[in-house]
Amino acid sequence: EIVLTQSPTTIAASPGEKVTITCRASSSVSYMYWYQQKSGASPKLWIYDTSKLASGVPNRFSGSGSGTSYSLTINTMETEDAATYYCQQWSSTPLTFGSGTKLEIK
Amino acid sequence: EVQLQQSGPEVGRPGSSVKISCKASGYTFTDYVMNWVKQSPGQGLEWIGWIDPEYGSTDYAEKFKKKATLTADTSSSTAYIQLSSLTSEDTATYFCARSGAPFDYWGQGVMVTVSS
Repeated sequence: EIVLTQSPTTIAASPGEKVTITCRASSSVSYMYWYQQKSGASPKLWIYDTSKLASGVPNRFSGSGSGTSYSLTINTMETEDAATYYCQQWSSTPLTFGSGTKLEIK
Repeated sequence: EVQLQQSGPEVGRPGSSVKISCKASGYTFTDYVMNWVKQSPGQGLEWIGWIDPEYGSTDYAEKFKKKATLTADTSSSTAYIQLSSLTSEDTATYFCARSGAPFDYWGQGVMVTVSS
């Protein structure tokens, strides 16, 4: 099973600040996927194939990485970005998620 | 418009079973795998397994192989998950999620509460 380790667990950022969330895989994966989940709602696909933004995702978001190290970056934090973000790998079953990064507004 | 409409909240007694549905619309049901994901209160996401509705083939995460049974009814475009031998550990929200590769559409989630 591929274990995904996200860091940080929680982060608080001010509007306009740059934010980076990392996801490290216990084995190499081909791509990384990211989901955004707000309290009481279903997760939403946010970034797919490592760096492609899902429909409707603002271009202040970006994704990058390869092998065992991936990241999601917000260029300039906005209040609406406060949420929990999960990474996910699809390279092998069982499909696994990271434990999540809770992003709060400062 | 793709929609995954899940059934309502469930309360199950310890040792009993519950069955949750996920009705798909807005796309050809047999063209996509349907996944199920568990989210315990205040916790992260766990993949339970998937079903290919066209063939009925399934794959489960090891820890859910004796807990969950995935089925699909192509005539009604509905996927199901049955959870058996309920314990307090099964209290959670259960999501269905369509995938080609990533999980691009999700149901609204069903809260299952195990209580005597």
